[in-house]
Amino acid sequence: DGGITQSPKYLFRKEGQNVTLSCEQNLNHDAMYWYRQDPGQGLRLIYYSQIVNDFQKGDIAEGYSVSREKKESFPLTVTSAQKNPTAFYLCASSIGGGLQNIQYFGAGTRLSVL
Amino acid sequence: EDKVVQSPLSLVVHEGDTVTLNCSYEVTNFRSLLWYKQEKKAPTFLFMLTSSGIEKKSGRLSSILDKKELFSILNITATQTGDSAVYLCAVEGAGNMLTFGGGTRLMVKP
Repeated sequence: DGGITQSPKYLFRKEGQNVTLSCEQNLNHDAMYWYRQDPGQGLRLIYYSQIVNDFQKGDIAEGYSVSREKKESFPLTVTSAQKNPTAFYLCASSIGGGLQNIQYFGAGTRLSVL
Repeated sequence: EDKVVQSPLSLVVHEGDTVTLNCSYEVTNFRSLLWYKQEKKAPTFLFMLTSSGIEKKSGRLSSILDKKELFSILNITATQTGDSAVYLCAVEGAGNMLTFGGGTRLMVKP
């Protein structure tokens, strides 16, 4: 089955703790993205990567970090510097390379603060 | 700064009704407009529109783009309870990035 897998589905963070959200895809897509969704709002871009070993900040990158060491994987770390991390986090991927950019999404991780 | 605005914010209808969802945008270097349906978790892709005036259709759902007036509409005819979801509009601009609107929450009552 081809698709995007996010884990865990639910995550709790303590004060001062860094947590990492996993995103894996087997669609052979070059581009991957992380979004944050707050209740009743649309998606805001945190980070994106158009190719392995390269990534760019999105609109709300402060307090987050990413890596792209493998084509299939794009983990997101929510650091202690992110003061309001409670949200629904969505990972997406697309073919990339300047082609029409249909992004396909994983099922999301819901992060809450203890 | 790219901007996408959806209206209405929310909508309650009864099964069998027809609904029209709106999406207006201001985007530098427009490439495409996309509609997604989000039920509980992952947004699922509905349509991609690139040309004005050409209707895309899938079953009871259809969508059209007006690049002169900078908007798109998503129509759902003969609504069913399974159509209840948040509908997201996104526009692709420079750099292949998507800018999302805030969504329209549709509830279809039996």
